[in-house]
Amino acid sequence: DAKTTQPPSMDCAEGRAANLPCNHSTISGNEYVYWYRQIHSQGPQYIIHGLKNNETNEMASLIITEDRKSSTLILPHATLRDTAVYYCIVRVEQTGANNLFFGTGTRLTVIP
Amino acid sequence: GAVVSQHPSWVICKSGTSVKIECRSLDFQATTMFWYRQFPKQSLMLMATSNEGSKATYEQGVEKDKFLINHASLTLSTLTVTSAHPEDSSFYICSASFSREILQYFGPGTRLTVL
Repeated sequence: DAKTTQPPSMDCAEGRAANLPCNHSTISGNEYVYWYRQIHSQGPQYIIHGLKNNETNEMASLIITEDRKSSTLILPHATLRDTAVYYCIVRVEQTGANNLFFGTGTRLTVIP
Repeated sequence: GAVVSQHPSWVICKSGTSVKIECRSLDFQATTMFWYRQFPKQSLMLMATSNEGSKATYEQGVEKDKFLINHASLTLSTLTVTSAHPEDSSFYICSASFSREILQYFGPGTRLTVL
């Protein structure tokens, strides 16, 4: 699975959009980009995933560049409860579950 | 949907004792369950993968005789830390997937403290 690079930390003002970048320059054509987050002392929570098209759900939007070498997770209106460590994971999607490799992630702090 | 629970949420035990942690998929049948460990200020590290009815596959460096994993049913997996020592103190998290589904659904974690 391709390696990802994320900034170690970011701050965002409450109510503003939080844009979390992820670099995955060695991504392969059949690898998806997944985002999870982990609020302190809790298990990780799935946010969103995509292959090459931009994706949006009730939690966030995922913007993937045309060359797929990087992506951005957007939380449109950050709240204090969005303070967490966000993990960008690149993985091949195939039948049968496989383990996820969690890197160091980005610690997002939403400031009142 | 896709809720995973863990029990207990925290446990304190004496060195040398064994501790069992349960992971349950509440509203789906989990063909595969995963066990992770997370030390303070570190990321999650996969310990083992278990498929229902099969022996668990352990990651390199994880002692299978120390961390016993049982996945006897499609809704329950257990992790037993045998002869626990203070260095086993950690946050243990399980996740579950169901057939043909790639996403993993995580439990809330169990904090183990070994005195």
